[in-house]
Amino acid sequence: GQNIDQPTEMTATEGAIVQINCTYQTSGFNGLFWYQQHAGEAPTFLSYNVLDGLEEKGRFSSFLSRSKGYSYLLLKELQMKDSASYLCAVVNDYKLSFGAGTTVTVRA
Amino acid sequence: DAGVIQSPRHEVTEMGQEVTLRCKPISGHDYLFWYRQTMMRGLELLIYFNNNVPIDDSGMPEDRFSAKMPNASFSTLKIQPSEPRDSAVYFCASSFAGGPPLVNEQFFGPGTRLTVL
Repeated sequence: GQNIDQPTEMTATEGAIVQINCTYQTSGFNGLFWYQQHAGEAPTFLSYNVLDGLEEKGRFSSFLSRSKGYSYLLLKELQMKDSASYLCAVVNDYKLSFGAGTTVTVRA
Repeated sequence: DAGVIQSPRHEVTEMGQEVTLRCKPISGHDYLFWYRQTMMRGLELLIYFNNNVPIDDSGMPEDRFSAKMPNASFSTLKIQPSEPRDSAVYFCASSFAGGPPLVNEQFFGPGTRLTVL
């Protein structure tokens, strides 16, 4: 079975940093994705980790520790447009199992 | 490329009616996925295909749901008969297994918002 946990909601101020944690217990593991989903839209790819460590892509970074079953997504220099739901997803073979998502609200 | 295309974007139907959702994956992609998203259950994988062949349909809720992929550029998800609890957003996604090693990013379509009255 799959068990993927992430906080339901987070609020931060424009220009700040927010870290979204994701813990997982899954029957198989071939990597972990982070997707961003704005209200009423489709999820879009943000990052992928398969090895332990930090992957940096501009204002967004993602970290993975396979031994701890733990990942985080770090959003820096928050902008209003970053208000969205962030989905952690574990891949097993070609199947993605998604967490419930973390709704991030950025306030001015 | 136009991305993953889904139709219709919105569907309102009455309980008991047949509903057919359509998807055109990105050209050249060899995996196609159908998901359902609700507030209560989040984003759930229903079924996925590889080279037009269904690989795993363990997420299909019951026999009222069926999916086909007659060719590499078209797939359908059918609900017959529909029930109010089927109301959700249904996403289609596609990916290419031949991409960078170990990365199989899925590209999502815009979704079909289904309301069953």
